[in-house]
Amino acid sequence: GENVEQHPSTLSVQEGDSAVIKCTYSDSASNYFPWYKQELGKRPQLIIDIRSNVGEKKDQRIAVTLNKTAKHFSLHITETQPEDSAVYFCAATGANSKLTFGKGITLSVRP
Amino acid sequence: DVKVTQSSRYLVKRTGEKVFLECVQDMDHENMFWYRQDPGLGLRLIYFSYDVKMKEKGDIPEGYSVSREKKERFSLILESASTNQTSMYLCASRWTSGYEQYFGPGTRLTVT
Repeated sequence: GENVEQHPSTLSVQEGDSAVIKCTYSDSASNYFPWYKQELGKRPQLIIDIRSNVGEKKDQRIAVTLNKTAKHFSLHITETQPEDSAVYFCAATGANSKLTFGKGITLSVRP
Repeated sequence: DVKVTQSSRYLVKRTGEKVFLECVQDMDHENMFWYRQDPGLGLRLIYFSYDVKMKEKGDIPEGYSVSREKKERFSLILESASTNQTSMYLCASRWTSGYEQYFGPGTRLTVT
């Protein structure tokens, strides 16, 4: 089955700096790659996603890039703000459209 | 606005008890999912259902069963709760034609 690896497990940045979170996946047939944000005590919410026929997608301060050859995708957050502090999960859709999630990364934005 | 609700936010049960966790969605989603979330392990799929009365095992189905008698409701059952089932349980749903999963608020289950 699909295996999604997410590194590092924690990331701390200064407010205003950029943050990059990377994920790798194993199933070359995977075709959908979402990123979920989970604030403390809240449910995960989709913040951006990308399909396998697209290399990059941007939405205001966040962007996602996909490298199908290397089987990795990354979340980029520019001009980070304290409210960006949360746990971020990457995921990949493999067989049966099941989502396989990475273990999550805790992003801390220092004011 | 999609709404996914779960029957309890917090639940404390004793070892050996039968536990029911319920999830209800109001968007006529065909697909529903149960995950457990543990620190350092991310979200792991327990069971999912493509439609009413259909169910498939996820990655960690041992010790769990599910029921989907109505489209809007998906129940997770712990036949005999054990301490290693202490966890946060998240329900999610989506349309078959879509990709985005919408999550419920979660149930934090403690088994003592």
